[in-house]
Amino acid sequence: GQSLEQPSEVTAVEGAIVQINCTYQTSGFYGLSWYQQHDGGAPTFLSYNALDGLEETGRFSSFLSRSDSYGYLLLQELQMKDSASYFCAVSHYGQNFVFGPGTRLSVLP
Amino acid sequence: DSGVTQTPKHLITATGQRVTLRCSPRSGDLSVYWYQQSLDQGLQFLIQYYNGEERAKGNILERFSAQQFPDLHSELNLSSLELGDSALYFCASSSSGGGRYNEQFFGPGTRLTVL
Repeated sequence: GQSLEQPSEVTAVEGAIVQINCTYQTSGFYGLSWYQQHDGGAPTFLSYNALDGLEETGRFSSFLSRSDSYGYLLLQELQMKDSASYFCAVSHYGQNFVFGPGTRLSVLP
Repeated sequence: DSGVTQTPKHLITATGQRVTLRCSPRSGDLSVYWYQQSLDQGLQFLIQYYNGEERAKGNILERFSAQQFPDLHSELNLSSLELGDSALYFCASSSSGGGRYNEQFFGPGTRLTVL
């Protein structure tokens, strides 16, 4: 089957670094992407890994290891506005898109 | 503003009814995707259209159907509605639809409430 797992909740303080993990049981996919969704809002694209390794976009970085069926999103210099839900997602060769259950990040002052 | 528009913003209807949700993709985008998000749940991929043709299908119920028109706008039709169909329905668009992954731009969503 195709499934992704994420921690349901993560809490960190402003200015800190937090890592949100995503493990998956699937094969034959193009890459792993990450989306942010604020309460009541629409998901917005953050990052995408087609190849193994680290991709950096400003304060956000994402990592993929296909051999370990694992990826993560790293958020640095946390700000209050980073409080949101974060979803990992894979796009399969059959063009079927699967999103993880989401991780709710709470940033405390 | 992602450039993707969805109407209506809110929809309240009764069980057994049929509704149509509308989506206009970003200018130039050929792919449209539909997702369902129930309360405190993740995003469930329903279906993708690319340039008028169905490209991929997820866990879409037989009571649901979609189409993409020549002007590239898309409609999601939900029939014989049940209480469990109450959810936020998102439309997303991207510039490509085949092969490699493309960033998807999400619309604001339509909140459907079935009473």
